Amino acid sequence: AQKITQTQPGMFVQEKEAVTLDCTYDTSDQSYGLFWYKQPSSGEMIFLIYQGSYDEQNATEGRYSLNFQKARKSANLVISASQLGDSAMYFCAMREGNTGNQFYFGTGTSLTVIP
Amino acid sequence: DTGVSQDPRHKITKRGQNVTFRCDPISEHNRLYWYRQTLGQGPEFLTYFQNEAQLEKSRLLSDRFSAERPKGSFSTLEIQRTEQGDSAMYLCASSQGLALTDTQYFGPGTRLTVL
Repeated sequence: AQKITQTQPGMFVQEKEAVTLDCTYDTSDQSYGLFWYKQPSSGEMIFLIYQGSYDEQNATEGRYSLNFQKARKSANLVISASQLGDSAMYFCAMREGNTGNQFYFGTGTSLTVIP
Repeated sequence: DTGVSQDPRHKITKRGQNVTFRCDPISEHNRLYWYRQTLGQGPEFLTYFQNEAQLEKSRLLSDRFSAERPKGSFSTLEIQRTEQGDSAMYLCASSQGLALTDTQYFGPGTRLTVL
């Protein structure tokens, strides 16, 4: 089974609107970390936001917030007030507590912000 | 600190040739990771180092692949007898430690094309 599933290959959003990118995960560990990265066309993976499995509050970093629903095993990224520069690939990743040596990545969502 | 750097950014080679990539991590980071990313996929873990010790290797890392981190600073990834299936983006990441909150910071990647 896939550790990370991103079911939206491509998304479009109007500039200044909010958008939600979906991510579900699969792990039997009680302790794990969830990460979101942005990958522009240049190729570099840029860290956006982190959520720990024991964190009671949803993580926020500027215009990024994470809608963490532990029972549903989902960790959706919300981008508020979209900007043209937000157009990129977005990857959800997980680190499991028992191994912790690698990140498992989803297949990504391509976000296009329309002016 | 300038972040993780990788060299070269692009490499075109003929099938059967050997190639070597270099990664310079963030200076205070003792953990270094190599990932491979093919078109339309998220990064896949290849191997990781803690200081100079290579502690884990993925089954994706065939015997044609070898990685080193001789002094616990920069790392090299060598692919011998390249095949067309080796064409991919090779990403390097570094981190400070193994806590769940420990974020991996990625370099810009080396894009390999095998003709």
